Amino acid sequence: KNQVEQSPQSLIILEGKNCTLQCNYTVSPFSNLRWYKQDTGRGPVSLTIMTFSENTKSNGRYTATLDADTKQSSLHITASQLSDSASYICVVYTGTASKLTFGTGTRLQVTL
Amino acid sequence: NAGVMQNPRHLVRRRGQEARLRCSPMKGHSHVYWYRQLPEEGLKFMVYLQKENIIDESGMPKERFSAEFPKEGPSILRIQQVVRGDSAAYFCASSSGTGYTEAFFGQGTRLTVV
Repeated sequence: KNQVEQSPQSLIILEGKNCTLQCNYTVSPFSNLRWYKQDTGRGPVSLTIMTFSENTKSNGRYTATLDADTKQSSLHITASQLSDSASYICVVYTGTASKLTFGTGTRLQVTL
Repeated sequence: NAGVMQNPRHLVRRRGQEARLRCSPMKGHSHVYWYRQLPEEGLKFMVYLQKENIIDESGMPKERFSAEFPKEGPSILRIQQVVRGDSAAYFCASSSGTGYTEAFFGQGTRLTVV
């Protein structure tokens, strides 16, 4: 069964600190992996898209890594801000199924 | 260039009524996806449509739910005879193609069945 698992389920960090979110997937065949940010009550917004051949990709303070051999990805957030408080969702796209498989997300709370 | 537009943003229905959720994709996008998000849960795929065609409806409940994406106008997700368990946020996403192409999400419709 195609699955995307994320950890931790929730995380609280102090403003200015760094954090790393994990994503493991069993989705096959693999086409690309995406990280989305979802603010409460809003739709998901894309942060990065990574294909099989890409190991790392940055978008401002967000850096995603991908290890296609171990089927693991991580999202590193540097110098966190209060506005980073949101759910971060790992999504895998399977080329043949033409649909996105979503993880359940990590709820991040950044506090003062 | 407006983003993906969903309406209404909030919808309240009594048990047994029908709910119609609308999604206007981004200009130039011909692929539409519908997802349901229950409270405290992740998004679950429901259906994938292209203009006038249902490509994959493997996530749609077998009864009461239907979706369409006509040649003209928005995509419609229709829920007949709603029950309390249908209360959820329903998100629509659109893209210009498959594969690497970006999928953009709307703000969602929050359905409450009372």
